[in-house]
Amino acid sequence: GAGVSQSPRYKVAKRGQDVALRCDPISGHVSLFWYQQALGQGPEFLTYFQNEAQLDKSGLPSDRFFAERPEGSVSTLKIQRTQQEDSAVYLCASSLRSSGGDEQFFGPGTRLTVL
Amino acid sequence: GQQVMQIPQYQHVQEGEDFTTYCNSSTTLSNIQWYKQRPGGHPVFLIQLVKSGEVKKQKRLTFQFGEAKKNSSLHITATQTTDVGTYFCAGRDGGSQGNLIFGKGTKLSVKP
Repeated sequence: GAGVSQSPRYKVAKRGQDVALRCDPISGHVSLFWYQQALGQGPEFLTYFQNEAQLDKSGLPSDRFFAERPEGSVSTLKIQRTQQEDSAVYLCASSLRSSGGDEQFFGPGTRLTVL
Repeated sequence: GQQVMQIPQYQHVQEGEDFTTYCNSSTTLSNIQWYKQRPGGHPVFLIQLVKSGEVKKQKRLTFQFGEAKKNSSLHITATQTTDVGTYFCAGRDGGSQGNLIFGKGTKLSVKP
């Protein structure tokens, strides 16, 4: 079956541009997570959705970061006025339930480079 | 806030040697998960530990969860070149709705 997909796989943006990163979770998965992974580091939590509800956005680094999942399936992470420190791999993960005890299935990530 | 620390950062072994990575949390965890990320890849779930003192085995991999549920370890017996990658522990504290806090990972290289 299809896993988690993300697009684009690579994105180069000039400083100040807005970007939108898309995540298609596994069909039927209730929970969706966004992570930021810098080179040589572990994934850092950004935000969490249970269906269409954004239950935790405590990891979003600034108000330039915005995420949505309007119909409880596809999610978009938007970064406004990108800065060089935003360069990282953005990982999306989904899990079947909302209990917090499930394995997370990760997508391949979007590598964002801000020049 | 909650922190998850992982050591060592890097480990280089000769094929056939054993390998262990350790994970420590600043708070008591409700559960801990382990993931493997191959070079250029994404994290892939290995296992979840929930109970205090729990030990689980997957072929050559042995996972332990400490009695106090604040630490965990992954031990690989007789490493193979296919074990190459970065191993992450990820903990969830008791009050969290679902988000995991990842350690920085241990990068394993295996010399044939």
